[in-house]
Amino acid sequence: EMQVLESGGGLVQPGGSLRLSCAASGFAFNTFAMSWFRQAPGEGLEWVSSISNGGAVINYADSVKGRFIVSRDNSNRILYLQMDSLRVEDTAVYFCAKDSTAYSSGWSNVWGTGTTVTVSP
Amino acid sequence: EIVMTQYPGTLSVSPGERATLSCRASQSVSHELAWYQQRPGQAPRLIVYGASTRATGIPDRFSGSGSGTHFTLTISSLQSEDFAIYYCQQYNKWPKTFGQGTKVE
Repeated sequence: EMQVLESGGGLVQPGGSLRLSCAASGFAFNTFAMSWFRQAPGEGLEWVSSISNGGAVINYADSVKGRFIVSRDNSNRILYLQMDSLRVEDTAVYFCAKDSTAYSSGWSNVWGTGTTVTVSP
Repeated sequence: EIVMTQYPGTLSVSPGERATLSCRASQSVSHELAWYQQRPGQAPRLIVYGASTRATGIPDRFSGSGSGTHFTLTISSLQSEDFAIYYCQQYNKWPKTFGQGTKVE
């Protein structure tokens, strides 16, 4: 069974940092792009960042560009999201998802249950 | 950025009834449109991709249609487990954008 599982969320002050991880299993991790999405409390879904299967192609939402860095370790089947200069508006549940293609040009067909990030003074 | 608009915001239906959800894109996304279901407290679940292809394990009471800028998700006979929020997402252009969701209650 294809699965992804996020970890690393928590409570942090504005300006702080967190690193999220996403462990993948049940599929050829190095074949597919991966993405991060988030959902603020009571709000809809927002795409955050995507990384191609080999890590060469990366995209960010304007709202996180310059503050977040996505990376992946294909040997250990882990996706990361380094979040710096966090803001109150970054408070959300962060989801990791497997893309249907190698270059993140498709839909997301496997989602994790999410990890909660709370940015508060 | 492509703006996705879903309507209605809330759809009130009874079990066994038909539900029709709509999604409009601010510019053409061809067939590059997915629908996701999200139950309270759960992760999104892929329902349809390519505008009309059901994802693995999705029952055939779910059907998607449309192309270009207008799309529809139809649930032919609502079951109790179908009461959820449904999001459309375009993946034709960066950034990938979602509609604001339709709550089926």
